[in-house]
Amino acid sequence: QQQVKQSPQSLIVQKGGISIINCAYENTAFDYFPWYQQFPGKGPALLIAIRPDVSEKKEGRFTISFNKSAKQFSLHIMDSQPGDSATYFCAAEGGTSYGKLTFGQGTILTVHP
Amino acid sequence: ETGVTQTPRHLVMGMTNKKSLKCEQHLGHNAMYWYKQSAKKPLELMFVYNFKEQTENNSVPSRFSPECPNSSHLFLHLHTLQPEDSALYLCASSQPGTGPYEQYFGPGTRLTVT
Repeated sequence: QQQVKQSPQSLIVQKGGISIINCAYENTAFDYFPWYQQFPGKGPALLIAIRPDVSEKKEGRFTISFNKSAKQFSLHIMDSQPGDSATYFCAAEGGTSYGKLTFGQGTILTVHP
Repeated sequence: ETGVTQTPRHLVMGMTNKKSLKCEQHLGHNAMYWYKQSAKKPLELMFVYNFKEQTENNSVPSRFSPECPNSSHLFLHLHTLQPEDSALYLCASSQPGTGPYEQYFGPGTRLTVT
């Protein structure tokens, strides 16, 4: 019940295209859903996060869409750039488990110039 | 130094060695974490410390021994490891409270067990 399932495992997009990464969770106690971005040789860094009281959150080219009834959330990267090439992780926490992030498996995004 | 730093960045050790990983955070946080990152697997939370007290041990084998002498420093002592323990070990910190707080990660220590 603690799993967060992420897809796809890898994604190749052309410059200027839209990258979409999906995640699904099972634990209905989760109420905080961050996305982390990790470049090679670096630790993950928080990119954007959402609480379930809204269905969408946008920060620049990055948007999280959240569907509480389906227990799914996704990351959309608009106008994808080669500099966006990285590994993206969705995560979830909440209820009595604040501070204990449950991560998805990660998606390796490659944006071709 | 800013953020979360980890040393060493790379470590190769034999199965009979004893070594330690060090993490230091310069953010004034009071919660620190150890994660294991293996290829094609989700990041696995290993240990959580809040205000120097261990509050989470995620069924980690005893060959991994954490130590948190103060809120700024976290160690992971390693002994008699197995080849399957080879991974990237990440440290993170956050400010604990009643809700979710952003976790700041260090760059990790790439551990290879031979």
